[in-house]
Amino acid sequence: KAGVTQTPRYLIKTRGQQVTLSCSPISGHRSVSWYQQTPGQGLQFLFEYFSETQRNKGNFPGRFSGRQFSNSRSEMNVSTLELGDSALYLCASSSGQDNYEQYFGPGTRLTVT
Amino acid sequence: DAKTTQPPSMDCAEGRAANLPCNHSTISGNEYVYWYRQIHSQGPQYIIHGLKNNETNEMASLIITEDRKSSTLILPHATLRDTAVYYCIVRAMNRDDKIIFGKGTRLHILP
Repeated sequence: KAGVTQTPRYLIKTRGQQVTLSCSPISGHRSVSWYQQTPGQGLQFLFEYFSETQRNKGNFPGRFSGRQFSNSRSEMNVSTLELGDSALYLCASSSGQDNYEQYFGPGTRLTVT
Repeated sequence: DAKTTQPPSMDCAEGRAANLPCNHSTISGNEYVYWYRQIHSQGPQYIIHGLKNNETNEMASLIITEDRKSSTLILPHATLRDTAVYYCIVRAMNRDDKIIFGKGTRLHILP
């Protein structure tokens, strides 16, 4: 079974621009969660989507948004990029049922200059 | 905030058992203990989880104290490839509870 894939793997953007990151979950998984990882703050939860609906949300500003498609693929968007948005963005997929474990992708390394 | 406390770093000799402690003194009755690890520059990897009974799989064993206020992850024969940051997480069994990662324990395996 193929794992979680994220595209692109690396990205360089300029302050003020916007960016869209993509995540393809494991086949059959209906839940996709997004995390931001920085050296200072560690792994922080952004949001979770299940069956195209946002089921949970972390404490990030509205510049961070996401969506999920009917095939469970998910995208997250960050608008008006700031230097502090430079981070590793990780996507995790799971079945979405109770007591589930999450399987993470390799991440997208975003650098904002 | 994370509901767990872990030592920031630990060393273990290669071939020995690595015992990683986790304190979760405020755990609720419906919360599971999960362990993940993150090898440098990779996404976190699920290891094991449990509610109150000890659990074992091909990667590790999880020992949860009777009062469930702490747990220990055991890697029975540590290798250099086990060098990683290990995260202990508590999460309720209902699907609406989000996963909050703490700082984790950086495990160094010494050759």
